[in-house]
Amino acid sequence: EVQLVESGGVVVQPGGSRRLSCAASGFTFDDHAMHWVRQAPGKGLEWVSLISWDGGITHYADSVKGRFTISRDNSKNSLYLQMNSLRAEDTALYYCVKDQGSSGYFEPFDYWGQGTLVTVSS
Amino acid sequence: QSVLTQPPSASGTPGQRVSISCSGGSSNIESNTVKWYQQLPGTAPKLLIYTNNQRPSGVPDRFSGSKSGTSASLAISGLQSEDEGDYYCATWDDSLNGYVFGTGTKVTVL
Repeated sequence: EVQLVESGGVVVQPGGSRRLSCAASGFTFDDHAMHWVRQAPGKGLEWVSLISWDGGITHYADSVKGRFTISRDNSKNSLYLQMNSLRAEDTALYYCVKDQGSSGYFEPFDYWGQGTLVTVSS
Repeated sequence: QSVLTQPPSASGTPGQRVSISCSGGSSNIESNTVKWYQQLPGTAPKLLIYTNNQRPSGVPDRFSGSKSGTSASLAISGLQSEDEGDYYCATWDDSLNGYVFGTGTKVTVL
């Protein structure tokens, strides 16, 4: 059974930093691209970032480019999101998402975690 | 501001057919395949349709997708109370070099 378990959500001050983690199990982690998708309270879904199966390709939404960094450790079946210079508008539930393919471009997101909440507030 | 536009709401009585549109452009829907995700209240999104009109195993055939040009649509036939929730279209955008989600449509069963 595929499981994606996010952690690291917290209340953080504007301008602060935080690293989110996602522990994956139930599938061959290094065969698949991974994504982070977020959802602000009461709002819609927003794609944040993708990383290819080997970490060689990464892409970011314009809203987080230059502030967030996605990474993965295939030896630990783990995905990460380093978030710097956090803003109030980054407040959201952050989902770890498995891609059906390896590159991250065209295949669907076939499994989602339950999310971890990041609140940016003073 | 999403580049994929959906109606904010749709509704129907049990058994009716409901259709949700997703309007995009040449760099997203026209160039790439469309996915649809269902988010039931209090839960994570779930894949409903991929490659414009394909259903993953376990998704009832009451759900169907289509695409034409820069638009796509999701139809729910034989609407059931458990279909109440939010529905999002999504695709890759060649200009933005990233994924884009639709604005989302809340489906209500009257």
